[in-house]
Amino acid sequence: QKEVEQDPGPLSVPEGAIVSLNCTYSNSAFQYFMWYRQYSRKGPELLMYTYSSGNKEDGRFTAQVDKSSKYISLFIRDSQPSDSATYLCAMSIGQFYFGTGTSLTVIP
Amino acid sequence: GAVVSQHPSWVICKSGTSVKIECRSLDFQATTMFWYRQFPKQSLMLMATSNEGSKATYEQGVEKDKFLINHASLTLSTLTVTSAHPEDSSFYICSARGTWEETQYFGPGTRLLVL
Repeated sequence: QKEVEQDPGPLSVPEGAIVSLNCTYSNSAFQYFMWYRQYSRKGPELLMYTYSSGNKEDGRFTAQVDKSSKYISLFIRDSQPSDSATYLCAMSIGQFYFGTGTSLTVIP
Repeated sequence: GAVVSQHPSWVICKSGTSVKIECRSLDFQATTMFWYRQFPKQSLMLMATSNEGSKATYEQGVEKDKFLINHASLTLSTLTVTSAHPEDSSFYICSARGTWEETQYFGPGTRLLVL
């Protein structure tokens, strides 16, 4: 079983939709959770960083961690074409573990 | 803050030559840097972890004599692809571990094409 599982998509939504991206993990010891956005031919960019459980909001983005279910989510409200990218989840306990990424396309 | 740069952004070289890629943390000191390789439409593949002042730790299957990593200072790590061959053509990305939080900050990547 992989440490981190992420549906690769692709996911296609109309502009303005709410997008939900998710990852599950197997190691209950993970404490640090991250979401990265990667545009084509660019390095990943840190979007959200969360320690332990709970929600964190930053503009149109909300990161949610449910440690009891070993499940993390990234919500994007009022999605824009510029949100079209691959989204990577990551988690850490000394060592980092990345999901394989979900490809998102927001259609104008 | 937390900016990581890479140089060059792209490079084309002939088979058999060596190529050096630099990774710099511009506004913070990074005791740990990571090097990744990424093929089109595929996920990041960790190649090695480097700690300042010590030898890099390579992932299984990565040839340490081919991919030389040097982390001589708290802001600079270099990856040298020695005797490059066409199969080494890829997108190479470095990252630096944050000193105040447990996360990684990535560089913009270097596209290598070996002819």
